[in-house]
Amino acid sequence: DQQVKQNSPSLSVQEGRISILNCDYTNSMFDYFLWYKKYPAEGPTFLISISSIKDKNEDGRFTVFLNKSAKHLSLHIVSSQPGDSAVYFCAASPDQTGANNLFFGTGTRLTVIP
Amino acid sequence: DSGVTQTPKHLITATGQRVTLRCSPRSGDLSVYWYQQSLDQGLQFLIQYYNGEERAKGNILERFSAQQFPDLHSELNLSSLELGDSALYFCASSAHLDTQYFGPGTRLTVL
Repeated sequence: DQQVKQNSPSLSVQEGRISILNCDYTNSMFDYFLWYKKYPAEGPTFLISISSIKDKNEDGRFTVFLNKSAKHLSLHIVSSQPGDSAVYFCAASPDQTGANNLFFGTGTRLTVIP
Repeated sequence: DSGVTQTPKHLITATGQRVTLRCSPRSGDLSVYWYQQSLDQGLQFLIQYYNGEERAKGNILERFSAQQFPDLHSELNLSSLELGDSALYFCASSAHLDTQYFGPGTRLTVL
């Protein structure tokens, strides 16, 4: 049973435009959400996180939005660059840290076209 | 470079065999996690160790076991291997109540 879902396996965006990646979850006990980015032949790299007590967290070009009532979060990447091309995983944690077992989505492959 | 190392990078073996995957966490991190990523799937949590003790268990098969040693490195043992065990196996580490940092993974191919 996939408790974290990323329904778009892939997304293509022109360089300079905004990329929006979506994630849905089913378990209302999830309290902390993370986005990881993964390049080929590397492990996932932590990108940004958000606690359930917030609805937005911003870090540079990356912003994560959380809609708890809809059990939905999204990652916005402004001014997308070819170097942003990677697989992005959404993950959820049942407590307020990322230090417990994480539940991952299946990932969205972002391609930024020059 | 996350600071988490995993060996080997690639492993090819036959059905029925046993393998050991190794993970060295970031300096100072007490928690180690193991995840499995099968083809086109998300990462599935297997098991977590904290300072040598098992802390949490996910969907880990009985044929799989893990341990964390006094120097905090961890090993994941996979036995009686089946074709379906072919996957990427990731190790992650974290400081207390902190974000998990992932190693580069071990790609296991069972023929």
